[in-house]
Amino acid sequence: SYDLTQPLSVSVALGQTARITCEGNNIGSKNVHWYQQRPGQAPVLVICRDVIRPSGIPERFSGSNSGNTATLSISRAQAGDEADYYCQVWDSSTLVFGGGTRLTVL
Amino acid sequence: EFHLVESGGGLIQPGGSLRLSCAASDFTVSNYYMSWVRQAPGKGLEWVSLIYSGGSTYYADSVKGRFTISRDNSKNTLYLQMNSLRAEDTAVYYCAKDVGYGDYVDSWGQGTLVTVSS
Repeated sequence: SYDLTQPLSVSVALGQTARITCEGNNIGSKNVHWYQQRPGQAPVLVICRDVIRPSGIPERFSGSNSGNTATLSISRAQAGDEADYYCQVWDSSTLVFGGGTRLTVL
Repeated sequence: EFHLVESGGGLIQPGGSLRLSCAASDFTVSNYYMSWVRQAPGKGLEWVSLIYSGGSTYYADSVKGRFTISRDNSKNTLYLQMNSLRAEDTAVYYCAKDVGYGDYVDSWGQGTLVTVSS
């Protein structure tokens, strides 16, 4: 099975850039997707196919993917960005999720 | 925008059975890959099961042999039959629509809570 590893938590100062990583074996060869989940709500897609922002997602959200690491970057972090973030790939007829990262905006 | 509405969750004793439903609107369930994803209290997202548009089904090892995914095309509804439930199956269960055929989830239901406890 394919494993994705995320840091449990990331903290960022208000207005600065947060970077959340997602590590997997040769993940650069896969499409990586990112979801934001606020407490009590369903996940929301914020980045798909490594770098694409769905309609309605602020330009402050961006993604990259190379080698063994994919990264979700959130620039000019706002209090409203505090949430859990999950990376996801498709592997052998399964959806594989990372363990999730809690983003705290200080 | 696609809409998914889950139902069928509740409190069930260990060893019991429950069937979750996911009613879809604004798209045809049988044209897409559809999944069930669960989230235990305070934990991350865990993929549970998948049904291809062609009907093939797949399961996480943790539920294989106990859960069955299916759909009713006439009702445009996805199901998850859960048997031999265990305490560790306690979670919010989401139905999820793939954008196409093995890519990302572009629509989630609101989730339904399943609590397995005596």
